[in-house]
Amino acid sequence: SAVISQKPSRDICQRGTSLTIQCQVDSQVTMMFWYRQQPGQSLTLIATANQGSEATYESGFVIDKFPISRPNLTFSTLTVSNMSPEDSSIYLCSAGLGGGYEQYFGPGTRLTVT
Amino acid sequence: AQSVTQLDSQVPVFEEAPVELRCNYSSSVSVYLFWYVQYPNQGLQLLLKYLSGSTLVKGINGFEAEFNKSQTSFHLRKPSVHISDTAEYFCAVSVDNDMRFGAGTRLTVKP
Repeated sequence: SAVISQKPSRDICQRGTSLTIQCQVDSQVTMMFWYRQQPGQSLTLIATANQGSEATYESGFVIDKFPISRPNLTFSTLTVSNMSPEDSSIYLCSAGLGGGYEQYFGPGTRLTVT
Repeated sequence: AQSVTQLDSQVPVFEEAPVELRCNYSSSVSVYLFWYVQYPNQGLQLLLKYLSGSTLVKGINGFEAEFNKSQTSFHLRKPSVHISDTAEYFCAVSVDNDMRFGAGTRLTVKP
């Protein structure tokens, strides 16, 4: 298994600003993932972040809006840019083990945009 | 691509009663199956997983699930629930590092 931490745990931001969320894993992993969970909904994959390559984004998510960094095998960041109230969600990162098919999740970042 | 259907959005039960949360999946290839639990204001915690081998898998907190390939199901069960089991439960299927989640089942345990 893996232990994942995220910072910040929650934030309230103003429209038009950006927030960077940090995700730290307690072991080296090749694959990390970023998800969005809108209120009362399931998880939607934003992108897959492999160390040493550009993040791969899912349909409906673009790099300009959600830039991701993956500088090493234990850390990743997700930035939510030019925020609007529609971006209010929980953002979760996960670490892929066993070749990536098994994922362990961080506690999430609860974002409210006013 | 694979997909997951959780057949019940809400399941209310009384404390110490048995519970089954239903999950069906679709995929044209072999899959790995997972159940996660999400307590209020927390992230997802892995309850149990099926990767291969025995079709009956046991997880944490007294939960178990049975993989049924012919019925493409992976139902979660617990023989006696506690108030503390109140949470959202997500079934997930993984193929080639692509994990898809069901819509979730809200389990509410009443005293």
